[in-house]
Parts: sequence; C-alpha cells; structure tokens
Amino acid sequence: EDQVTQSPEALRLQEGESSSLNCSYTVSGLRGLFWYRQDPGKGPEFLFTLYSAGEEKEKERLKATLTKKESFLHITAPKPEDSATYLCAVRRSNMLTFGGGTRLMVKP
Amino acid sequence: DAGITQSPRHKVTETGTPVTLRCHQTENHRYMYWYRQDPGHGLRLIHYSYGVKDTDKGEVSDGYSVSRSKTEDFLLTLESATSSQTSVYFCAIKYTVEAEAFFGQGTRLTVV
Repeated sequence: EDQVTQSPEALRLQEGESSSLNCSYTVSGLRGLFWYRQDPGKGPEFLFTLYSAGEEKEKERLKATLTKKESFLHITAPKPEDSATYLCAVRRSNMLTFGGGTRLMVKP
Repeated sequence: DAGITQSPRHKVTETGTPVTLRCHQTENHRYMYWYRQDPGHGLRLIHYSYGVKDTDKGEVSDGYSVSRSKTEDFLLTLESATSSQTSVYFCAIKYTVEAEAFFGQGTRLTVV
C-alpha cells in the first residue's frame, strides 16, 4: 500500500527564516512525486513534479528535491504570502496518493 | 485557472437524501478525478474516469457513484447521504496520465 507522510504538520517561521518541509514516501514503482500549495478555501495549486532521485526543481523561493525515500521542499527567505498548506503526492498508475500536508505560517 | 468548475460550491442536505455534485471542464482533459478532503486524512480519491463512460474506484468509493457521459462533465452522486460524507469535495483533471493534476475550487457539503 502506498504511503505518504509529511512533517512537520505545522511550521511557524519568521519572515526571512529559511526552512525545509519533508515528504517521506513508500510506493512500488514511483511514477512522479508532486508538490502542491493550498490556500484556505481553495483547491490545491500545482508547484512541481519530480521523477527521479537527485532531481531538483525551483520556483521563486521554493526548491524541491527528491531522494529514493523522501522529498524536501526548501523555502528560502520566506515571506508572509508563502503562508499556506503544502501537500505532496506520489503517483503510481492512474492515481495520486496524498500526504496530510504541512501548514506553513510565516510571520512578518 | 485550468478551466474547471465545480457546482454547487456549498450545499447543506439532510441525511438520506440523494446529492449530485458536478465537475465541468473546458479543456478536453481525458482524466477526471473526485477527491474528498477531511482534517486528519488529507485528500483521498473517491472515483476517477479515464474517458467517456470509463470509470474506476478509488480508495474511499463506498456510498458514492459517478458518471461521465460527456468528456467535459464528471458527476459524483451520493445515493443516500450520511453524516460521514460531510466533507470538502474536489474535482481534478489531467490531460495525460503522466501530467500534473489541476484542481477545482471545491464543494463544501454538509449532511445534517
């Protein structure tokens, strides 16, 4: 059974304080790991797809990395507008399995 | 905005009544999905479709049925709503099986 565990569940940062979110996964035949951002009352918004260990993707203050067992979402010098819940998901065949998410709060 | 619309956005219904949620897309994506999102459980797949009249079950399909008679519409039906089906329901679409999924804005369903 595919499993995705995200940690921490919640993270409070001061503006400018860099940190990382973790996504650990167990899946046979990984065919993509996805990161999403979700704001309150809205649907998840796609950020990145990673396919193989060692791969990295960047977008503004966010960088996603992938190993054989986990993925990290690094947030460099975050701003209050980066506050959201960040979700990761793994794909095997047609379906995505999601983790529980990390709720990030960035204080000015 | 990936051209995906969910309706209604909010609904309150009574236990035992049938409820149908609609997902409409305008971009000819082949794959469509229904998820529910609950505190402590994250997003869980209910049903998905890989073409017109082609559907399959997800992780939490009991109590739900789906239909896709046109490419652009994917309907989720609760035949007899129960309080345990109170949730936020999200529709998602993908152009290919490898592509990223785009999500709608969600439908908040309350069963009283």
